[in-house]
Amino acid sequence: GNSVTQMEGPVTLSEEAFLTINCTYTATGYPSLFWYVQYPGEGLQLLLKATKADDKGSNKGFEATYRKETTSFHLEKGSVQVSDSAVYFCALRQGGSEKLVFGKGTKLTVNP
Amino acid sequence: DAEITQSPRHKITETGRQVTLACHQTWNHNNMFWYRQDLGHGLRLIHYSYGVHDTNKGEVSDGYSVSRSNTEDLPLTLESAASSQTSVYFCASSDWIGHGYTFGSGTRLTVV
Repeated sequence: GNSVTQMEGPVTLSEEAFLTINCTYTATGYPSLFWYVQYPGEGLQLLLKATKADDKGSNKGFEATYRKETTSFHLEKGSVQVSDSAVYFCALRQGGSEKLVFGKGTKLTVNP
Repeated sequence: DAEITQSPRHKITETGRQVTLACHQTWNHNNMFWYRQDLGHGLRLIHYSYGVHDTNKGEVSDGYSVSRSNTEDLPLTLESAASSQTSVYFCASSDWIGHGYTFGSGTRLTVV
């Protein structure tokens, strides 16, 4: 079945450090891929998405590229801020389905 | 502005009681979903609906039920609450284009 594997957390960085959160997936066909962010005490918010191979999703300085050859969708940001502290979820949507399959989440803490 | 609201935000109930969590969206989305979030498991799908009078089981549906009598609401009922159902519950909705989900703010349920 479809699944998403994220790097284990928590991740702790200093402000202005480079961020990478790894995400790999298992799916048949050509899924759509998403990153969601959850700030403390809130629901999840869509951060970025990509719907086909080699697409790059970007938002708020975050980027992720859909790599079909490595079945990956790693999240990156060049310079993190304290306000980026949150839990990040990678997810996929299998073509023909409206269901999302989520990874377990990676907690990021950015210290000043 | 369109929104998706969950109520209550917090609930404490006793083992064996029936509990209903409300989810109401004004996006006019056809698709609605219920997830539970637990440490170490990420988000797991409980039930989902693709339209009025349509309901489907997710991966962790035992002990839960839903009904969809209109487009706006998908209440989640715990028939006989168990301690294993202590969790944070999220409702989400989406349109058919597969743009990703809009999430509610969650309900924290404690079963004692």
